[in-house]
Amino acid sequence: GENVEQHPSTLSVQEGDSAVIKCTYSDSASNYFPWYKQELGKRPQLIIDIRSNVGEKKDQRIAVTLNKTAKHFSLHITETQPEDSAVYFCAASRGAAGNKLTFGGGTRVLVKP
Amino acid sequence: SAVISQKPSRDICQRGTSLTIQCQVDSQVTMMFWYRQQPGQSLTLIATANQGSEATYESGFVIDKFPISRPNLTFSTLTVSNMSPEDSSIYLCSVEWGDTQYFGPGTRLTVL
Repeated sequence: GENVEQHPSTLSVQEGDSAVIKCTYSDSASNYFPWYKQELGKRPQLIIDIRSNVGEKKDQRIAVTLNKTAKHFSLHITETQPEDSAVYFCAASRGAAGNKLTFGGGTRVLVKP
Repeated sequence: SAVISQKPSRDICQRGTSLTIQCQVDSQVTMMFWYRQQPGQSLTLIATANQGSEATYESGFVIDKFPISRPNLTFSTLTVSNMSPEDSSIYLCSVEWGDTQYFGPGTRLTVL
């Protein structure tokens, strides 16, 4: 089955700096890669996703890149703010209806003011 | 996206007892999923619940321990049976909307 590795497990950045989280996956048939943000005591919230026919996607301060050949994808957060502090999870699936998501281990991001 | 609710939001239970968690969606959805999130950990899929058929369980999870019902397209239940302290976790349902999954608020379970 699919295996998703996520690094780093914790990340501390100064407010205004950039944060990068990297994930690798094992199933070459995976073609859908969402990112979730989970604040303390709350549900995981989808923040951005990317499909395998796209190499990069941006939404304001957040961007995701995908390298299908190397089987890795990354989340980039620019101009970090204290409210970006949370746990971020990457995931992968084959994208068709009913296909399960496999999650990475999570990255705890702390943005220091 | 759909609005998802879960009941109860939290509970404290005695070992050996069972708890049924409800997941309600405001729209009809084909696929619903149940996850476990142990303290400080990632999300682990317990099972996939498709209306009108038996739930599909992931490796390490069995129907006797985690029976699931899916009586219609807006509702599902997960029962945690014969609980032990190791079952203390957050249990989340999610629904598939397009090819994206959206999560309920979770049920925080503590087993004494």
